[in-house]
Amino acid sequence: DTAVSQTPKYLVTQMGNDKSIKCEQNLGHDTMYWYKQDSKKFLKIMFSYNNKELIINETVPNRFSPKSPDKAHLNLHINSLELGDSAVYFCASSQGGTLGETQYFGPGTRLLVL
Amino acid sequence: AQKITQTQPGMFVQEKEAVTLDCTYDTSDPSYGLFWYKQPSSGEMIFLIYQGSYDQQNATEGRYSLNFQKARKSANLVISASQLGDSAMYFCAMARTGTASKLTFGTGTRLQVTL
Repeated sequence: DTAVSQTPKYLVTQMGNDKSIKCEQNLGHDTMYWYKQDSKKFLKIMFSYNNKELIINETVPNRFSPKSPDKAHLNLHINSLELGDSAVYFCASSQGGTLGETQYFGPGTRLLVL
Repeated sequence: AQKITQTQPGMFVQEKEAVTLDCTYDTSDPSYGLFWYKQPSSGEMIFLIYQGSYDQQNATEGRYSLNFQKARKSANLVISASQLGDSAMYFCAMARTGTASKLTFGTGTRLQVTL
């Protein structure tokens, strides 16, 4: 009965590789997000989708490409991985209404680029 | 632009005591929400409590309460009767009210509960 799930939980890869992280939510929410948590624990928004439409695209290198096949899924593809991409990536979802936009987070994907 | 400030990088509290984690914010949005999340050492982000900018009452959820002072732009988290399991990082965050509104986070406070 997991609400927001991510796979994989850990990802260790070499510089230059391409990798994907998958996210699924079973809460019936309309909006999904990707956040990045750096080594100092600072969390920053990367992308947001509402009903499969890209709403927020922060200043993120275009090596990062989100894809939302349906409103329950939001995947993150990263091309040509760099050392600085090492971080924890969190997926989140929210109802999409106008009040109480509580966002519920997945368990995170710990990416280590060597 | 929104900004969240958490000035306490670390806090200690004895078990069964109450503790207040500070959070101040800055925004030009007329309507917004304030949130607290807990991140234990296992890494997940756990939603604790929400306060809307137009809510008249301070939010409470079990042992958590949010001391909201709009004029001072502060949204402090109060944890009553601390437990060892409360040891974690705590993040204050805010979002403009509306669809797909991003959360802006503070830098977090690491709380350690001692015997």
